[in-house]
Amino acid sequence: QVQLVQSGAEVKKPGASMKVSCKASGYTFTGYYMHWVRQAPGQGPEWMGWINPNSGDTKYAQNFQGRVAMTRVTSISTAYMELSRLRADDTAVYYCARGDWRFDYWGQGTLVTVSS
Amino acid sequence: DIQMTQSPSSLSASVGDRVTITCRASQSISTYLNWYQQTPGKAPNLLIYAASTLQSGVPSRFSGSGSGTDFTLTISSLQPEDVATYYCQQSYTTPQTFGHGTKVEIK
Repeated sequence: QVQLVQSGAEVKKPGASMKVSCKASGYTFTGYYMHWVRQAPGQGPEWMGWINPNSGDTKYAQNFQGRVAMTRVTSISTAYMELSRLRADDTAVYYCARGDWRFDYWGQGTLVTVSS
Repeated sequence: DIQMTQSPSSLSASVGDRVTITCRASQSISTYLNWYQQTPGKAPNLLIYAASTLQSGVPSRFSGSGSGTDFTLTISSLQPEDVATYYCQQSYTTPQTFGHGTKVEIK
């Protein structure tokens, strides 16, 4: 069965960087785009961008341009999302989600807390 | 960016009631509209895609309709396990944007 398993919760200081991993199993990793979506406490989801695991091509939301980098290692079916220059308002649960124009499988989420 | 406006923001209904949630896009998105259900502490779960297609494994009491700018999610007979927050999402263009959610509770 399809599974997306993310790395564990992190606590970061303002100005630091975070990197979340998402290990895929149960399907051909290179066959589906991987998106990253975050959800701040009590808020709706916010799309951050996608990576094409086959080509490595990426597209980022304007809100994160210059601060986000999405990468992948196909040999281990794992996608990564790195966000730099963290601020308090980056505190959120970060999800990876498989799909093109619909997100049919999601990771369990990674809580990242940014606090001094 | 395309803005997605959901209404109501919350509702309370009895078991067995018919529940309708609406989602309006700030511009036409054809049928590039998806609905998700989220329970506390869990990831969103895809219910409906392309405005009206039921995702595999989702109970048939859920249905979706609409095109252009106006969409609805209907639960034909509310069940206790449907207590959740529901989000619409447009996938017509990037950034893909979500509504602010509708919280559904049992009266």
